[in-house]
Amino acid sequence: ILNVEQSPQSLHVQEGDSTNFTCSFPSSNFYALHWYRWETAKSPEALFVMTLNGDEKKKGRISATLNTKEGYSYLYIKGSQPEDSATYLCALIQGAQKLVFGQGTRLTINP
Amino acid sequence: DTGVSQDPRHKITKRGQNVTFRCDPISEHNRLYWYRQTLGQGPEFLTYFQNEAQLEKSRLLSDRFSAERPKGSFSTLEIQRTEQGDSAMYLCASSLGVGEAFFGQGTRLTVV
Repeated sequence: ILNVEQSPQSLHVQEGDSTNFTCSFPSSNFYALHWYRWETAKSPEALFVMTLNGDEKKKGRISATLNTKEGYSYLYIKGSQPEDSATYLCALIQGAQKLVFGQGTRLTINP
Repeated sequence: DTGVSQDPRHKITKRGQNVTFRCDPISEHNRLYWYRQTLGQGPEFLTYFQNEAQLEKSRLLSDRFSAERPKGSFSTLEIQRTEQGDSAMYLCASSLGVGEAFFGQGTRLTVV
């Protein structure tokens, strides 16, 4: 069974603060790592698709980094806003096979 | 294209009955995934297709679950002899190869 681990499971952050969370995965046979945002009552939506060791991606106040050799990715949110409240999922593809998700980090921004 | 659509959105069934869900992916997408999601958990992989070929089925999935994707277009997921533990949200997603996955709204199954 492929283990994609996310930490923490949940996080409460004050509006305006920056935060980050982690996705850990087996480094062998790495192909791609995806990050998704999943808002309540909506479908998950992709944030980033990352394939190269050392990749850094940015979309507005959200950015992500990737280390395929040690098997981790960080997602950063700068200056959190209430609309950032969601569950953030990472998902791994090994060897161009299936997309396997972690348990997610549930982020709540307190106004 | 309006995206990935799933039908029905909600299904309530009695224990022991069979249910079938449908997923229509984005038309040019060759990959189609089925996931199951329960409260507080991430999407749990069930199976996936590349075109019409079913490439993998989760070993955690019992023989009561079967999926098809005839002609590499829409897909169906059938659960036979439903049990209360099957109650969950069933999510379908499609992608072009290993690119980002686009999800449907899900089918929420309640087994009573």
